Amino acid sequence: SAVISQKPSRDICQRGTSLTIQCQVDSQVTMMFWYRQQPGQSLTLIATANQGSEATYESGFVIDKFPISRPNLTFSTLTVSNMSPEDSSIYLCSVEGGGGALETQYFGPGTRLLVL
Amino acid sequence: SQQGEEDPQALSIQEGENATMNCSYKTSINNLQWYRQNSGRGLVHLILIRSNEREKHSGRLRVTLDTSKKSSSLLITASRAADTASYFCARHHPFQGGSEKLVFGKGTKLTVNP
Repeated sequence: SAVISQKPSRDICQRGTSLTIQCQVDSQVTMMFWYRQQPGQSLTLIATANQGSEATYESGFVIDKFPISRPNLTFSTLTVSNMSPEDSSIYLCSVEGGGGALETQYFGPGTRLLVL
Repeated sequence: SQQGEEDPQALSIQEGENATMNCSYKTSINNLQWYRQNSGRGLVHLILIRSNEREKHSGRLRVTLDTSKKSSSLLITASRAADTASYFCARHHPFQGGSEKLVFGKGTKLTVNP
């Protein structure tokens, strides 16, 4: 299994500002995923990040709002831009467990964001 | 919506009892996974069940899959207070380049009372 860390673990931000969340994996992975979990809700996929290519965004999410970097096979960042209170959520990164096509997906501990 | 539906949304039982959570979906699947989440923290993978499997066990967990009914269930036997968490099913959905992504259900919040 993969060990995933995220920074920061939580933050309180003012509206209009931006926050960059980091995700570090202890092994090289091809695909990394970013999810949002709004309070009391399930997880929604924001985008998929492959190393060396542009991230692929799900419907309802755009690059200007959630820019993603994937500089190497063990690291990715998600930026939440021009934040509003509606962005208050837990943001989680995840990776495939290997073994070819998606087998098991492992998740980081999440970043809990509160926007005032 | 691609999301699956889980029921019940919330379940409260006494320690030692069994807990059953169900997950339904609308389209054909390849694999389906169950996850646990404690108090809004990261997700812990529990079990993956493939479309050609009907039942899978892991310790006190039993997962069934009925592809004809497009449903899956998670049974926790002899529950403990530490099992208190939210449980999510997630089905594999075809994605770009032959890969797959996970589509999560709405989850069941389980409370096990000591």
